[in-house]
Amino acid sequence: QQPVQSPQAVILREGEDAVINCSSSKALYSVHWYRQKHGEAPVFLMILLKGGEQKGHEKISASFNEKKQQSSLYLTASQLSYSGTYFCGTSKLVRIGLSFGAGTTVTVRA
Amino acid sequence: DAGVTQSPTHLIKTRGQHVTLRCSPISGHKSVSWYQQVLGQGPQFIFQYYEKEERGRGNFPDRFSARQFPNYSSELNVNALLLGDSALYLCASSLRDDTGELFFGEGSRLTVL
Repeated sequence: QQPVQSPQAVILREGEDAVINCSSSKALYSVHWYRQKHGEAPVFLMILLKGGEQKGHEKISASFNEKKQQSSLYLTASQLSYSGTYFCGTSKLVRIGLSFGAGTTVTVRA
Repeated sequence: DAGVTQSPTHLIKTRGQHVTLRCSPISGHKSVSWYQQVLGQGPQFIFQYYEKEERGRGNFPDRFSARQFPNYSSELNVNALLLGDSALYLCASSLRDDTGELFFGEGSRLTVL
């Protein structure tokens, strides 16, 4: 079952912050975050494992609330390069592939 | 180093035809996964192969099949194409056989008329 992402889209000015949420109705083993720019392949950002710590990638960080089966991606002091569609992917078990959400389109303007 | 390469990049088929998509993983990667991405949606898992064995399969009909070769490259085959099969087909490689970091290719854009 696909995770649900919110919001569907967000528009930011450079330097502003944003939060993207990802929730699942199923117990999760891991949450993965990818960013895809228009016409390009999705690019890995980070993995959060059950029982693991909050991860960070430059000014992009994420958390995983195991009890709520939710993950949040935090874009801090956004840059123009942060524009793209962010997907969360979830797995219940190892080796069974990822279920991706519908994506959140982020547009950062100067 | 070369990333994941896929071919062809674009192709047009008609309903009922068959298509074969090819993928070469990053050197040293033994796992290949296939995903279907319909316009405006997230990728949907089709298959995962590791060391030439199928390790996982998503919710796709038997018209979809795949295999992995001794050099770890992979093919995705789709028979009896339907209009709804029009999508971007993404191949991803990874080092391990679990769901770790995926390195995606740029995809094969299939249009079914």
